[in-house]
Amino acid sequence: DAGVIQSPRHEVTEMGQEVTLRCKPISGHDYLFWYRQTMMRGLELLIYFNNNVPIDDSGMPEDRFSAKMPNASFSTLKIQPSEPRDSAVYFCASSRGTGPNQPQHFGDGTRLSIL
Amino acid sequence: AQSVTQLGSHVSVSEGALVLLRCNYSSSVPPYLFWYVQYPNQGLQLLLKYTSAATLVKGINDFEAEFKKSETSFHLTKPSAHMSDAAEYFCAVSDQVGGGSNYKLTFGKGTLLTVNP
Repeated sequence: DAGVIQSPRHEVTEMGQEVTLRCKPISGHDYLFWYRQTMMRGLELLIYFNNNVPIDDSGMPEDRFSAKMPNASFSTLKIQPSEPRDSAVYFCASSRGTGPNQPQHFGDGTRLSIL
Repeated sequence: AQSVTQLGSHVSVSEGALVLLRCNYSSSVPPYLFWYVQYPNQGLQLLLKYTSAATLVKGINDFEAEFKKSETSFHLTKPSAHMSDAAEYFCAVSDQVGGGSNYKLTFGKGTLLTVNP
């Protein structure tokens, strides 16, 4: 099976621009997670979905960030307008089931640089 | 909320030496614990997980971890380090959200393992 697929792998843009990150979860997985990884703060959960519905978005930094999951095979994370402090690696992960012992499968991430 | 603490942000060992990466958890209920590995420019990969079936858990690439309730620890070990083990390792605990049936992972800060020839 294909793993979690993220695009683009790298994104460099100027501050103020809109950024859209994309994720395709593993087929059959009903949970999808968005994380941000920085040197200072480590790995932070931004938001996660269950069956396309957002369950917990308490990690979303501010209104400039938004996430959607229009169907079971696609999700986006948008930043508008982008700022230099948003520079980080953004990971998408998916898992099957609702149990606490279900491992999450991660994509390779999008390395975002805001100039 | 549950949490994990990884002792040592950077561990350096010689090739062939024992690898020991430390993780302590804080939990008011029996925890579900995970170790993930992140190679450069890649996402996190699951090494092993503890789900209360056995206290000694074996994972991929000869890694194993032992759950010790009395010490609230879940340390990761490997008898003999290989150059290819150089990576960042994350301990995580599964945390219930909102009292319902939803769970999320809370990660430690990570430990960077360097293997010297």
